[in-house]
Amino acid sequence: EAQVTQNPRYLITVTGKKLTVTCSQNMNHEYMSWYRQDPGLGLRQIYYSMNVEVTDKGDVPEGYKVSRKEKRNFPLILESPSPNQTSLYFCASSFRRSAGQNNSPLHFGNGTRLTVT
Amino acid sequence: AQTVTQSQPEMSVQEAETVTLSCTYDTSESDYYLFWYKQPPSRQMILVIRQEAYKQQNATENRFSVNFQKAAKSFSLKISDSQLGDAAMYFCAYRSAHGSSNTGKLIFGQGTTLQVKP
Repeated sequence: EAQVTQNPRYLITVTGKKLTVTCSQNMNHEYMSWYRQDPGLGLRQIYYSMNVEVTDKGDVPEGYKVSRKEKRNFPLILESPSPNQTSLYFCASSFRRSAGQNNSPLHFGNGTRLTVT
Repeated sequence: AQTVTQSQPEMSVQEAETVTLSCTYDTSESDYYLFWYKQPPSRQMILVIRQEAYKQQNATENRFSVNFQKAAKSFSLKISDSQLGDAAMYFCAYRSAHGSSNTGKLIFGQGTTLQVKP
């Protein structure tokens, strides 16, 4: 089954304790991205990746890191989490953004609810 | 920069009735894509319908249709014959089609929570 898999689904941690949220897709998508969802703000892009070893900042990258060493995986790293990073996180992927393919829909993972105390 | 606005935080509809969710957007681009996503309590993001800006014909998917008004920068979603399973949060989203601003990013509205009453 074609899917984007995020883990964990729920995570509670304390300020400053490094954590990683994993994301994996099995659709051979080149494009992957991370979003955070907050009430009244919708979803906002954190980072994205056009291909292996190519990553770039989205709209709200502060406090986050990503890596893209393999095509299928795109982990989100919080080196020193803070309470303002408490949010619902989504990983998403699609075929590359090249001409004619940018209307290919984003496939979303099931979300990770992160609470930082 | 592009923005998407959903001015209705909450809406309700009687089962079997029709409801329209509003969305407006701001852009200087001429070529782009618009989407409606549904997010039920399970948190899953489900694509409901999409519209290419170059197409004048409004997209339709079964009970879901859009009213795309390019000049007015409006993209409303109509749900006909509402069902209990339609209860969810709905997000309107914009994606650039090409050019230097094309990062593949979806720009989302704030969301509208739809309640369906039996």
